[in-house]
Amino acid sequence: KQEVTQIPAALSVPEGENLVLNCSFTDSAIYNLQWFRQDPGKGLTSLLLIQSSQREQTSGRLNASLDKSSGRSTLYIAASQPGDSATYLCAVSPNAGKSTFGDGTTLTVKP
Amino acid sequence: SQTIHQWPATLVQPVGSPLSLECTVEGTSNPNLYWYRQAAGRGLQLLFYSVGIGQISSEVPQNLSASRPQDRQFILSSKKLLLSDSGFYLCAWARDSGTEAFFGQGTRLTVV
Repeated sequence: KQEVTQIPAALSVPEGENLVLNCSFTDSAIYNLQWFRQDPGKGLTSLLLIQSSQREQTSGRLNASLDKSSGRSTLYIAASQPGDSATYLCAVSPNAGKSTFGDGTTLTVKP
Repeated sequence: SQTIHQWPATLVQPVGSPLSLECTVEGTSNPNLYWYRQAAGRGLQLLFYSVGIGQISSEVPQNLSASRPQDRQFILSSKKLLLSDSGFYLCAWARDSGTEAFFGQGTRLTVV
């Protein structure tokens, strides 16, 4: 059974810092990994999708990496801003069947 | 472009009452559709998914059911709500299994 763990559960940083969010999974037989952002009381917004054959994806100030063999992914946020404050969730998907989500990391960026 | 609509945004229902949450997708055909529940401060638990009209897979035994009467419509129902059904319900779609998933804005259900 796939298990996804996100560390830390919560993170508070001053504005402008670069930061890394971690996601680990127990079964390396994944098809893709997706990072989401969730604002309080809202749905999930897709940030980045990494296929299993890829090592990283970039979008603006966000960079996500994937190391299937070690069962890890990181989301790097450069030059953090207060607007980045949200909960970040990672989800791993097999080729067929359901995705497994982590419990998320709640990020607070202080002005 | 594709969009996903979910309603209502919030709902307060008494114990024992029925439930119907609706989700529709626009701009695509034959999507995979999903219902998730999110407990406070936790990740998402997949409740149901559907790969086509009338095809429903249940992931967790519970007091809820799902139906897909049309290609882009997914409904979450209950005949009698329990207190434990309270939570944040999210609908999602994807082109196929293992592809990028897109979520609706969620429904906050409070059973009182």
